Amino acid sequence: GNSVTQMEGPVTLSEEAFLTINCTYTATGYPSLFWYVQYPGEGLQLLLKATKADDKGSNKGFEATYRKETTSFHLEKGSVQVSDSAVYFCALGGGSNYKLTFGKGTLLTVNP
Amino acid sequence: GAVVSQHPSWVICKSGTSVKIECRSLDFQATTMFWYRQFPKQSLMLMATSNEGSKATYEQGVEKDKFLINHASLTLSTLTVTSAHPEDSSFYICSARDAPGYGYTFGSGTRLTVV
Repeated sequence: GNSVTQMEGPVTLSEEAFLTINCTYTATGYPSLFWYVQYPGEGLQLLLKATKADDKGSNKGFEATYRKETTSFHLEKGSVQVSDSAVYFCALGGGSNYKLTFGKGTLLTVNP
Repeated sequence: GAVVSQHPSWVICKSGTSVKIECRSLDFQATTMFWYRQFPKQSLMLMATSNEGSKATYEQGVEKDKFLINHASLTLSTLTVTSAHPEDSSFYICSARDAPGYGYTFGSGTRLTVV
């Protein structure tokens, strides 16, 4: 079945540091890949997505590239801000039932 | 963009009572809705998938008689936690998939506390 393996946190960075959160997946077929962000006490917000190999999703300075050869979708940001502190989830979507499969989430804390 | 409204955002109820949580897609028709449960500092656990006008499909281990899901229209799904107990206390989140696009929009979640 489908699965997502996500870098476990927590991750603590200083403001303006470079961020990478690794995500790899196992899936049959050609899934879509997503990164969601969850702020404390809130639901999930879509951060970015990619629907086919070599697509790059980007939003708010975050980027991730769908790498089929390495089955990866790593999240990166060149310069994090305190406001980026949240939990980040990598997810995979596909199949006839359209279910999303989530990674375990990575807590990011950015200090001033 | 697509918006999903989830209510209430938090609820406290007494043990043995039932609680209903609503999930509405405000500006699109949701052919499929999903209900998740999230424990503190953990990932989302899919509870069930519901399609408009048909019975929900529950994940293994989820009690369908305890967690009643109704998806009566393309814009509304409800989750009713029946005879709630303290162990049902959790954060419940709904998600809707819009028909034409391949997008998933999440509600803001409901914090349920059973006392």
